[in-house]
Amino acid sequence: GEDVEQSLFLSVREGDSSVINCTYTDSSSTYLYWYKQEPGAGLQLLTYIFSNMDMKQDQRLTVLLNKKDKHLSLRIADTQTGDSAIYFCAESRSSASKIIFGSGTRLSIRP
Amino acid sequence: DVKVTQSSRYLVKRTGEKVFLECVQDMDHENMFWYRQDPGLGLRLIYFSYDVKMKEKGDIPEGYSVSREKKERFSLILESASTNQTSMYLCASSPGTAFPLYGYTFGSGTRLTVV
Repeated sequence: GEDVEQSLFLSVREGDSSVINCTYTDSSSTYLYWYKQEPGAGLQLLTYIFSNMDMKQDQRLTVLLNKKDKHLSLRIADTQTGDSAIYFCAESRSSASKIIFGSGTRLSIRP
Repeated sequence: DVKVTQSSRYLVKRTGEKVFLECVQDMDHENMFWYRQDPGLGLRLIYFSYDVKMKEKGDIPEGYSVSREKKERFSLILESASTNQTSMYLCASSPGTAFPLYGYTFGSGTRLTVV
């Protein structure tokens, strides 16, 4: 079946690292994505990773993929107030053009 | 800068009204999608379209219909609005490749309130 799960809330202190976790059920997932939604806005693609990769780094963002456990994580280093948003994990399979989204994790930053 | 534009940011409609939500993309994308977003439920796919005049039901099509007369425009129609359709509606598009390599491009959303 198609299911992508993530926790609903995460609170971190400004300057710390944030780690947002996601699990998915479909082992045939080909691409996995992280989207960011700022208040009152649509979703913006942050980064993506192919299923044949274990890690991808892009400036402050690090994506880790554990295919065996079907676990995806997004690490944001040196979290800033501008990182406050909802982060969506998503997956797609090569057999379909649809992307399946998780419920989103609301990241809040405390001073 | 490529764009998906949703015609309204906020809408307030009365129960029973027919409501049209419009979405236009300027990227020559084949695929277009309508989602609704509710707290704790994430994004739920209502309808999608892979080509002009084509439409397919998503996970929650009941109470909605769509129209795609031109490639760039995908309209979501609430035939008779009800209060449980109060939600944020998001339109998205993607190229017509076999799989969405770079994901979808989203509009800014329309927050619909049905009273």
